[in-house]
Amino acid sequence: NAGVTQTPKFQVLKTGQSMTLQCAQDMNHNSMYWYRQDPGMGLRLIYYSASEGTTDKGEVPNGYNVSRLNKREFSLRLESAAPSQTSVYFCASSSRSNTEAFFGQGTRLTVV
Amino acid sequence: GQSLEQPSEVTAVEGAIVQINCTYQTSGFYGLSWYQQHDGGAPTFLSYNALDGLEETGRFSSFLSRSDSYGYLLLQELQMKDSASYFCAAPSGGSYIPTFGRGTSLIVHP
Repeated sequence: NAGVTQTPKFQVLKTGQSMTLQCAQDMNHNSMYWYRQDPGMGLRLIYYSASEGTTDKGEVPNGYNVSRLNKREFSLRLESAAPSQTSVYFCASSSRSNTEAFFGQGTRLTVV
Repeated sequence: GQSLEQPSEVTAVEGAIVQINCTYQTSGFYGLSWYQQHDGGAPTFLSYNALDGLEETGRFSSFLSRSDSYGYLLLQELQMKDSASYFCAAPSGGSYIPTFGRGTSLIVHP
């Protein structure tokens, strides 16, 4: 059972470049999330999807877009990367009760 | 929304007991979760308290008091491998979105 799979694990971008972070889960979860983690800031929600076909903004959505492609996949896109987006990005999923979230291994993104 | 406060760092010696506190402010509370994250790794789920009281899972226990808007994670018989960051989290809003505290870095000394 793979759980939550994120790609890529590491990425370096130049300012202004775009990229898409991919996430897939095989646990048949309805809810999926994208968080970013910065030192001392904990996990901050960027976007979430409570069910297939719906997406909503979280605490820090500016500069990001998302797509819930199907029940399994939830992608995060940076259209024009900025150094402030240097962070570790985690995708997570949970069942409807949301008492336990399962995380991917993270994407370490550096924007230079 | 939710706001969760926890200490930034706690230190303890191997074999000891340590308690990591979490206080929350909420506009709708369902329960409190705890996650562990080792350096360079992903957060992993430890426990969830929906009701007041103590939940025990091996060396780890978690406590919730809804009347005090307070919970804690208790780690017993500390081992070096317990050095990690610990996050409290609570689902919020109609979609029960997990909101996380800023995390407590636990340092276990020999």
